[in-house]
Amino acid sequence: KQEVTQIPAALSVPEGENLVLNCSFTDSAIYNLQWFRQDPGKGLTSLLLIQSSQREQTSGRLNASLDKSSGRSTLYIAASQPGDSATYLCAAAHYNQGGKLIFGQGTELSVKP
Amino acid sequence: KAGVTQTPRYLIKTRGQQVTLSCSPISGHRSVSWYQQTPGQGLQFLFEYFSETQRNKGNFPGRFSGRQFSNSRSEMNVSTLELGDSALYLCASSSDTRQETQYFGPGTRLLVL
Repeated sequence: KQEVTQIPAALSVPEGENLVLNCSFTDSAIYNLQWFRQDPGKGLTSLLLIQSSQREQTSGRLNASLDKSSGRSTLYIAASQPGDSATYLCAAAHYNQGGKLIFGQGTELSVKP
Repeated sequence: KAGVTQTPRYLIKTRGQQVTLSCSPISGHRSVSWYQQTPGQGLQFLFEYFSETQRNKGNFPGRFSGRQFSNSRSEMNVSTLELGDSALYLCASSSDTRQETQYFGPGTRLLVL
């Protein structure tokens, strides 16, 4: 059974700092891994999708990596800003479960001005 | 393109009632998935519809059901509501859940009293 874990559960950093959010999954049979952002009381905003055959994806100040062999993905945020404050969720689309997303519990990020 | 829309945004019901939630996917997307989000359990997969057929189902009781129409719009129904059904219900649309990004709507917040 696929399990997705995110560490840490919460993170507080000063503005301008570079940071890394971690995501681990137990079963490497995945189609892809997605990172999402969720603001309080809102839906999910897709940030990056990494296909199982890819190692990383970049969008602006965000860079996500995927290492299937170790069951890990990281989301790197460069030069963090207060507007980056949100909960970040990773989700694996499991190969044997029709592409349904298995979510981690999220990392709540707070960027202090 | 317009994003994923969900109606209603907020709903208050009492135990024993039933409720129907609606989701309109991004134009051209044929897959609609539904997720339940609660503070205790996080995001959990309910079901996925593709071209009017249920393609995948999560571990929820039969009180939770759904359908998809020929225009890809989807509805989710919960009968005999319980207090524990209080949650944020999110739908996601995709052209292909296995390979493509899943885009989420703003959610319907259901409160069962």
